[in-house]
Amino acid sequence: EAQVTQNPRYLITVTGKKLTVTCSQNMNHEYMSWYRQDPGLGLRQIYYSMNVEVTDKGDVPEGYKVSRKEKRNFPLILESPSPNQTSLYFCASRAGLTDTQYFGPGTRLTVL
Amino acid sequence: SQQGEEDPQALSIQEGENATMNCSYKTSINNLQWYRQNSGRGLVHLILIRSNEREKHSGRLRVTLDTSKKSSSLLITASRAADTASYFCATDYTGTASKLTFGTGTRLQVTL
Repeated sequence: EAQVTQNPRYLITVTGKKLTVTCSQNMNHEYMSWYRQDPGLGLRQIYYSMNVEVTDKGDVPEGYKVSRKEKRNFPLILESPSPNQTSLYFCASRAGLTDTQYFGPGTRLTVL
Repeated sequence: SQQGEEDPQALSIQEGENATMNCSYKTSINNLQWYRQNSGRGLVHLILIRSNEREKHSGRLRVTLDTSKKSSSLLITASRAADTASYFCATDYTGTASKLTFGTGTRLQVTL
């Protein structure tokens, strides 16, 4: 089944404790992105990747890092999480620049 | 800033009625996509309409695009309680890489 998977689905952590949210897609898509969703603000893009080893900032990249060492994986790294990073995070992928974007199930992160 | 803005913010209708949601955007686009999200869950892709298309159908969904007015509408016919969800338009605008810009969504409530 074609899908985007994320882990963990839920995470509660404390300020400053490094964490990684994994994302994997099995559709051989070139493009992958991370978004965060906050009430009243909709979805905002954090980072995106156009291919292996090619990443770039989205609208809200501060406090996040990403890597794209393999085509299928695109982890999101929070080196020193803060409470304002409490949010619902979505990973997404698509084949081409103007194609349908497929979303993962989301990761609900709470930073205390 | 948000590229797509949905209207209305909330809509409540009875089962069997039609629901219409509108989306306005600001700059030239490659395509516009509509997504559905059940409360706190992942986004489900509904339909993609390209900038050279004016209307598209998928089951009970009808999407129109007016590039001169920079607007789109999503019509759900014969609504069902299961259509209760938030609906987002996302614009894929020209000149950028792998970025969808989302509006803040329309919350649709379908009652029995």
